Parts: sequence; structure tokens; C-alpha cells
Amino acid sequence: KAGVTQTPRYLIKTRGQQVTLSCSPISGHRSVSWYQQTPGQGLQFLFEYFSETQRNKGNFPGRFSGRQFSNSRSEMNVSTLELGDSALYLCASSWVAGSSYEQYFGPGTRLTVT
Amino acid sequence: SQQGEEDPQALSIQEGENATMNCSYKTSINNLQWYRQNSGRGLVHLILIRSNEREKHSGRLRVTLDTSKKSSSLLITASRAADTASYFCAADQGGSEKLVFGKGTKLTVNP
Repeated sequence: KAGVTQTPRYLIKTRGQQVTLSCSPISGHRSVSWYQQTPGQGLQFLFEYFSETQRNKGNFPGRFSGRQFSNSRSEMNVSTLELGDSALYLCASSWVAGSSYEQYFGPGTRLTVT
Repeated sequence: SQQGEEDPQALSIQEGENATMNCSYKTSINNLQWYRQNSGRGLVHLILIRSNEREKHSGRLRVTLDTSKKSSSLLITASRAADTASYFCAADQGGSEKLVFGKGTKLTVNP
């Protein structure tokens, strides 16, 4: 069974631009979560989607948004990029919503904002 | 907000030795999970221990949980060079926020 895939793997953008990252969960998984990882703040939860609905949202500004499609694929968008948005963005999928089961993570998208 | 705090931040050992990493958290949890990350890549789930469990084993991994002290430990026995990675604990608070990760322990196993 294929794992979680994320595209693109690497991305360089300039301040003020916007970016869209994509995540394809493991087949059959309906929950997709997004995390931001930086050296300073570590891993921080962005949001979780289940059956096309946002279930949970972390403490990030409204510039960060996401959505989930009927095939469970998810995208996250960051508008008006700032230097501090440079990070590894990780997507994780699981069978069900909530954290009672292990999350399967993708390899991440490395975003650099210049 | 960081829930888990791993200790030590970095650990260097020789192959064959045991590695112990500790994690402390702040609020009550449903479960606590440990993950491994190799050099800026995705996380790999290692083990999940529920709040009503005290100890769990998986291969060379042994995890303990002490809810009274709000702490957990991960023991890797007979370590190998391939165990070199960062290890994170993640707390499931069961609330509006998903898994809350600590900053990790960077383990180096020297051959």
C-alpha cells in the first residue's frame, strides 16, 4: 500500500507570495492533519480534516488555510508569505479522526521563503 | 504550545548500548505516542501507550508511562547505527488540538 505522499517536496517562494501544498493520504484513510516544523518552535499542529470538514485548528493566523476533497486528498494554502513561514510542512493521515490511533506521516514539503 | 518536553536534547552512544529518552507533559492525556524522524524527513510512528497502560514493548523498544508524574520514557535496547535519528513524544490531549509534540531528542549511535 502506498504511503502518504506530499507535493512538491521542495519549494522556494518570495515574501508576499502565496503557496499551495498537496497531500495524498494512504488509501482508505479519511483523516488528514497538517503540521509545521521549524527549528525554533518544533512541530506544531495546523489543522485536521475529516470527510471534507475541518475538525480542529491550531493556533495559526488566518493566512494558513486548508481543504479536503472527496477523495480525502488535502491541500493547504499559505497566503502573503512571511520569512517565518519557512519550515518543513508535514501531512499525516489516519483511519479515523482524533488522536487515538497512530498517524502516518508523509516526507514533508520544505518551504523556503526569501 | 509545546506539551511534551524531551530529555536529553541530544544523546550520543555506542552501538550495542541502550538509549533512554524521557518525556514530560503538562496536562492530562488520552495517550502518548513516540515517533522517529530521520534528518528532516517525515515522522515514523513507533509506539502508542494509552493513559491506562504503564508499560508497553515493541521489538527493541520499551515505553513506560507514569501519569502521576506526567512523564514517559522510551528505551531502545541494543542500539544500532540505523537508530540514529530524532525521537519525539507526542501527547494526545483529546481536546481541540491534535497531537502536541515535544522538541525531540537527537540520538546518535556511533558504530
